[in-house]
Amino acid sequence: DTGVSQDPRHKITKRGQNVTFRCDPISEHNRLYWYRQTLGQGPEFLTYFQNEAQLEKSRLLSDRFSAERPKGSFSTLEIQRTEQGDSAMYLCASSAVTDTQYFGPGTRLTVL
Amino acid sequence: QKEVEQNSGPLSVPEGAIASLNCTYSDRGSQSFFWYRQYSGKSPELIMSIYSNGDKEDGRFTAQLNKASQYVSLLIRDSQPSDSATYLCAVLNQAGTALIFGKGTTLSVSS
Repeated sequence: DTGVSQDPRHKITKRGQNVTFRCDPISEHNRLYWYRQTLGQGPEFLTYFQNEAQLEKSRLLSDRFSAERPKGSFSTLEIQRTEQGDSAMYLCASSAVTDTQYFGPGTRLTVL
Repeated sequence: QKEVEQNSGPLSVPEGAIASLNCTYSDRGSQSFFWYRQYSGKSPELIMSIYSNGDKEDGRFTAQLNKASQYVSLLIRDSQPSDSATYLCAVLNQAGTALIFGKGTTLSVSS
């Protein structure tokens, strides 16, 4: 049984560059979530997919952020024109019909 | 703005003691509550979920829920040094689309 996987695990980029993260949910889970976590804070919700439909987006998800989930399988989160304030751990979670969310290992982004 | 509040700690207990972690939430309509454990530099790991008022036990862990008081707690019996971590309380929003997390309580268990 494989859990949620994320790639890459670490990303260092320069301010102004674009970055893309990938999340592969647990295979039978149709719901997928992205969160962002900064040091000393709990995870903050970014967006939610049910199958391929993006059903909710947080106000935290500025127009520089975009997320997709083609065919309802893996998901990508892209950040354009990165800023130093984007430095954080980006977490992906998935769930089945029940509302219990299981998290992947996260992608740690550092913007220089 | 829906909120989840936790004492940041650190909460320090000796090995073998009971650790008590508390959480309050603002959305009276919330129905689903979760405790996650997070080791430094790692992602949150689910410990327990609770949906009904009262206690729910799983091994050394007991979650308690009081919806009237909007209060959730986690008790860890026979605390071990390996329990040293940050414990995150999370509440599912009414739409069922997002978890709202507290900032977490850091637990330190000394041997």
